[in-house]
Amino acid sequence: GAGVSQSPSNKVTEKGKDVELRCDPISGHTALYWYRQSLGQGLEFLIYFQGNSAPDKSGLPSDRFSAERTGGSVSTLTIQRTQQEDSAVYLCASSQGDRISEKLFFGSGTQLSVL
Amino acid sequence: RKEVEQDPGPFNVPEGATVAFNCTYSNSASQSFFWYRQDCRKEPKLLMSVYSSGNEDGRFTAQLNRASQYISLLIRDSKLSDSATYLCVVKNTGGFKTIFGAGTRLFVKA
Repeated sequence: GAGVSQSPSNKVTEKGKDVELRCDPISGHTALYWYRQSLGQGLEFLIYFQGNSAPDKSGLPSDRFSAERTGGSVSTLTIQRTQQEDSAVYLCASSQGDRISEKLFFGSGTQLSVL
Repeated sequence: RKEVEQDPGPFNVPEGATVAFNCTYSNSASQSFFWYRQDCRKEPKLLMSVYSSGNEDGRFTAQLNRASQYISLLIRDSKLSDSATYLCVVKNTGGFKTIFGAGTRLFVKA
């Protein structure tokens, strides 16, 4: 497709389980971001990938959170041993990445519910 | 202190009103500035970029004051369809990390 694709759109899991969230950025976009948005709150920066550079992981809330980006395209956000406070919408965004003035294109997000 | 701070609102205004939102940012090295709009249960979408000279797009006017590290958005002649959350966004040099404010909620009523 032409836009950023995220899967699954909804994920319900039990506390303590691991989950993987997937993001397919727009083809050719070198920059990829993960954000988290809790109900009624703003977007919390998690991690940022830019080309082949080391990712900026400064927003990851704990070592239970990790992300990979394979081949400069698809990214997977993994949350280990999920907790109820991890429940939120996880948004992925991409941009062409080579100009600071560029806008971000967002996927529709994954709604994660930890029971 | 948060990198990007906004008044959360909500702002409740009648149709036709003029409303202004403010935003401050803490990193003086920030280089690019934007306003995004987010509708309920939807992903954010770019509303407009913000330039040093100020810029206008129809009923929307954005201003940047680098000395005060302050950004504003003015909406004139508010429409019901303007009801949304408006997110102030700052992009920094040294990697283009993009930071979002918590957003300002606007409700426009008939």
